[in-house]
This record gives sequence, structure tokens and C-alpha cells, in this order.
Amino acid sequence: EPEVTQTPSHQVTQMGQEVILRCVPISNHLYFYWYRQILGQKVEFLVSFYNNEISEKSEIFDDQFSVERPDGSNFTLKIRSTKLEDSAMYFCASSSRQSVNTEAFFGQGTRLTVV
Amino acid sequence: SQQGEEDPQALSIQEGENATMNCSYKTSINNLQWYRQNSGRGLVHLILIRSNEREKHSGRLRVTLDTSKKSSSLLITASRAADTASYFCATPSGGSYIPTFGRGTSLIVHP
Repeated sequence: EPEVTQTPSHQVTQMGQEVILRCVPISNHLYFYWYRQILGQKVEFLVSFYNNEISEKSEIFDDQFSVERPDGSNFTLKIRSTKLEDSAMYFCASSSRQSVNTEAFFGQGTRLTVV
Repeated sequence: SQQGEEDPQALSIQEGENATMNCSYKTSINNLQWYRQNSGRGLVHLILIRSNEREKHSGRLRVTLDTSKKSSSLLITASRAADTASYFCATPSGGSYIPTFGRGTSLIVHP
């Protein structure tokens, strides 16, 4: 069964460093998303991406975040200068379309620890 | 804007019992989705119910939707220890189709 894959599963980084989280969405999907979940808290929407541009973003998704689809398969989230509060599980998701019937498929997540 | 909120926050039952989790939301929706998350793992899609549907089944799962009350319930029948996980409802907010999650219900099923 097709699935969304994320790498790495766990990343530890120094505060102030840049990190890139990688995702391979399901191959025929057109809509891509990033969410994050701080430990013990709710899953929060960050950004959605369609047709090579951001379609929606939350107030969490500030200038230190960026997304890119560098080739036909990968979808990345970059955090330019990490802060301690960026420590969270980051989930990538994809969907084939956006409609009343559409479900989003999620990856297993990347646990980011900023020290 | 915040949408779905699950209730209760935590639920502890014995294997074989039924588990019922509820979700309330604030604005009109076009669909509502339930997800499961095992500890420290990803989100697994369980079921999607459209706004014009009242009930949907998938195996031991039964989801209801009451748009007049802006609420949904997830029933897991004959629960198993492997059902232990957090369960989230997700609804699009505003005119978007992007799922927005609640805080989840933490279900523990004791063998």
C-alpha cells in the first residue's frame, strides 16, 4: 500500500542551526502538508502546498520556515535558525485532491530535538 | 481557528468493552475525519464521514455525525489491547479542506 515516508525519523540539532526535514508523498498526490506536534499537545497545521506554491499557512509558519518541492518526489520543510521551542514531531501529509471526500495520509513523523 | 475537540481527554477500559469518544466542532464542515496515533508514531487515518452522512462503519469502528449538534462520536466495539492509542478528530476549518486536529482522546485498553 502506498505510504508517505519521512526522513530522518529523529534529528537532534543545535539551537541556531538550519534543519531540513524530508518527505516523500504518495506518488500521485497533488496536495502536500506539514504539521507539527509539540510533546503532549495537539497536532498543529503549518502549511499546505499545491502546484509548486504555498496554498495556505498558519501563523506558526513564519519567516524561519520554508517549504520546497525540489524534484518530482520530495517535499521538504526547512527551519532556518532553530529555537528550543521548535522541538516537536513534524508530520508530512499528502492528499490526491481537496474535496469533501478527501482523506490526508500522514507519514510516521520526524522527531526534532533542538538542544 | 480551533475546530474539533475530543472528549474525554482520557479513557481507560478493559479488553472486550466498547470505547466511545466524542468530538465537537464549532463551524460548519464538509467532512470529519478520525485518526489514530500510537505513542510516538504517525497518524493513521481511520475513517472519513461526509457532512451529509449520519453514520459510517469500518470493521469494529462506528462513527456518527450530528451536524445539528456539531458533534461526532467514534465507537470502538469489543476493544483490544492493541487499540491503545490516542484518537483525534480532524475537521477542515472555514472554507478550507485542510484537516485541523483536536487534542485527542488517550485510550488505554487493559488486557
